Amino acid sequence: AQSVTQLDSHVSVSEGTPVLLRCNYSSSYSPSLFWYVQHPNKGLQLLLKYTSAATLVKGINGFEAEFKKSETSFHLTKPSAHMSDAAEYFCVVSQSGFQKLVFGTGTRLLVSP
Amino acid sequence: SQTIHQWPATLVQPVGSPLSLECTVEGTSNPNLYWYRQAAGRGLQLLFYSVGIGQISSEVPQNLSASRPQDRQFILSSKKLLLSDSGFYLCAWRRGELNTEAFFGQGTRLTVV
Repeated sequence: AQSVTQLDSHVSVSEGTPVLLRCNYSSSYSPSLFWYVQHPNKGLQLLLKYTSAATLVKGINGFEAEFKKSETSFHLTKPSAHMSDAAEYFCVVSQSGFQKLVFGTGTRLLVSP
Repeated sequence: SQTIHQWPATLVQPVGSPLSLECTVEGTSNPNLYWYRQAAGRGLQLLFYSVGIGQISSEVPQNLSASRPQDRQFILSSKKLLLSDSGFYLCAWRRGELNTEAFFGQGTRLTVV
């Protein structure tokens, strides 16, 4: 069965410094991977997705993620954090032919001035 | 363009009372529909999903049920709420194709008192 592990429950950065949110996946087949962001008491917004095309995926708000099959990782990065990036981030996996998305437990990003 | 509506945004209900949360999707046909629950400080738990009218798959045995009376309508119900039903409920839809992302509603904050 597919699964995702978000290695950090909380990540704290200063405004203007790089962001790294880590995600490892487990999948028997070629997966599709997604990152979502959730602001307090809001729904989830798609940041970016990987679906077996380019391994480096660019998303909205300056975020990007790199699919590394050898490391079974899909880490989310941003060169320079902004205060508005403070939110909860979810890594998600979907397997080909399956109807379900499997969510990680989330990483809360804290951005200090 | 497609939109998803979920209501109400907040709800406070006494223990033992019934529940009905509604979700509708516009601008697409035959979507896959999902109900998730997010407990405080935790990830998303898939409750139900549906690939067509009247077709409901339950992921977790519990006090809740779901129905899909129309193609783009998905309803989450309970006959008698428990305290443990409190949480943030999210409806989502996906195209019925492989490896597509999900689009989420704004969520319902349910507090059972």
